[in-house]
Amino acid sequence: DGGITQSPKYLFRKEGQNVTLSCEQNLNHDAMYWYRQDPGQGLRLIYYSQIVNDFQKGDIAEGYSVSREKKESFPLTVTSAQKNPTAFYLCASTHTDRVTEAFFGQGTRLTVV
Amino acid sequence: QKEVEQNSGPLSVPEGAIASLNCTYSDRGSQSFFWYRQYSGKSPELIMSIYSNGDKEDGRFTAQLNKASQYVSLLIRDSQPSDSATYLCAVIRNQGGKLIFGQGTELSVKP
Repeated sequence: DGGITQSPKYLFRKEGQNVTLSCEQNLNHDAMYWYRQDPGQGLRLIYYSQIVNDFQKGDIAEGYSVSREKKESFPLTVTSAQKNPTAFYLCASTHTDRVTEAFFGQGTRLTVV
Repeated sequence: QKEVEQNSGPLSVPEGAIASLNCTYSDRGSQSFFWYRQYSGKSPELIMSIYSNGDKEDGRFTAQLNKASQYVSLLIRDSQPSDSATYLCAVIRNQGGKLIFGQGTELSVKP
């Protein structure tokens, strides 16, 4: 079955450490997205990518980095520069050549300890 | 001005009533509009998509779009306790481009 997979589901990070969140899709989608969600809040866009080897900053890119070396994969690194990284992170993907909705992964809950 | 704004919640309705959720957006060039439902701790799931002015109905759900007023709404008829969730409005200008979400409206349906 096609889908979008995020791993791990839960992640704990010590202050000052970088950590990478995985997002893989087998839906043959060109566009992929990373969002951050804080309790009681909506989704805020961190980065998005419409094509391999290209990506754009969203509204809250500071302290995060991404890469898009393969169509299927769009990992997000939370760097030590992100001052308040504890949040729920969601990855999504969609087509670029036809009108359709975005599909989401199950999310990664990151906690700084 | 936020790019996508939703009416502040929480919204509480009795079982069987109509729930009305509203969303405005700032980019006049926006082409596609989505309503997602999100249960606590889970990822969003699509409820409705709408691309042209007017109404679109799917079961108990009706989405309404007015591009001139930059307004999109979701009506839930015969609300059920299982509809209790946060509803997110999402807007995109070009397919695969910047997909922006509102802050969400929490809906509570009381038995």
